[in-house]
Amino acid sequence: EAGVAQSPRYKIIEKRQSVAFWCNPISGHATLYWYQQILGQGPKLLIQFQNNGVVDDSQLPKDRFSAERLKGVDSTLKIQPAKLEDSAVYLCASNPALAGYNEQFFGPGTRLTVL
Amino acid sequence: AQSVTQLDSQVPVFEEAPVELRCNYSSSVSVYLFWYVQYPNQGLQLLLKYLSGSTLVKGINGFEAEFNKSQTSFHLRKPSVHISDTAEYFCALNAGGTSYGKLTFGQGTILTVHP
Repeated sequence: EAGVAQSPRYKIIEKRQSVAFWCNPISGHATLYWYQQILGQGPKLLIQFQNNGVVDDSQLPKDRFSAERLKGVDSTLKIQPAKLEDSAVYLCASNPALAGYNEQFFGPGTRLTVL
Repeated sequence: AQSVTQLDSQVPVFEEAPVELRCNYSSSVSVYLFWYVQYPNQGLQLLLKYLSGSTLVKGINGFEAEFNKSQTSFHLRKPSVHISDTAEYFCALNAGGTSYGKLTFGQGTILTVHP
């Protein structure tokens, strides 16, 4: 079974530029998460989708971050314009959203450096 | 609101020595608890989980953890570590109910195993 795929793996941009990350969850997984992991900190949830609907985006900086999950499958996270403090690893995770406990499966992450 | 505190940011140990990584949590509702491991430039991998039942849970790679409700702790232990255990370890909780699987992470503990 293929895991969660993310691209690109690394990205370096100048501040005020825009950037987009892509995530393809495990096939059949209804729930998709984007986490931000700043160096020295644990991952922090940015947004959670159930199929193509947003469940939780309370910690997403909506003035510069946006995310979509068209057709309830893959997802893109965009930052526009980027700030220095957006330098982090962006992790995508998914789970099947069945009744009861669901393990989250994580992708390898995209490491963003904003100069 | 829920929170997770990992009491040690770095833990250095010698190979074949025992190790304990400490995790305390705060929640007003019942929780599921997890330990994840992150190797350099990789995503998060589930080590073990506590959902219910026995308070001593065993995971992969010889790790185990004990859920202590009265002390709100979920410490991770291994009786004899290997060089390959060098990684960052994250404690996390899920509050269940309407949280839809959202994970709240601690700050992480870097375990370094010396020969």
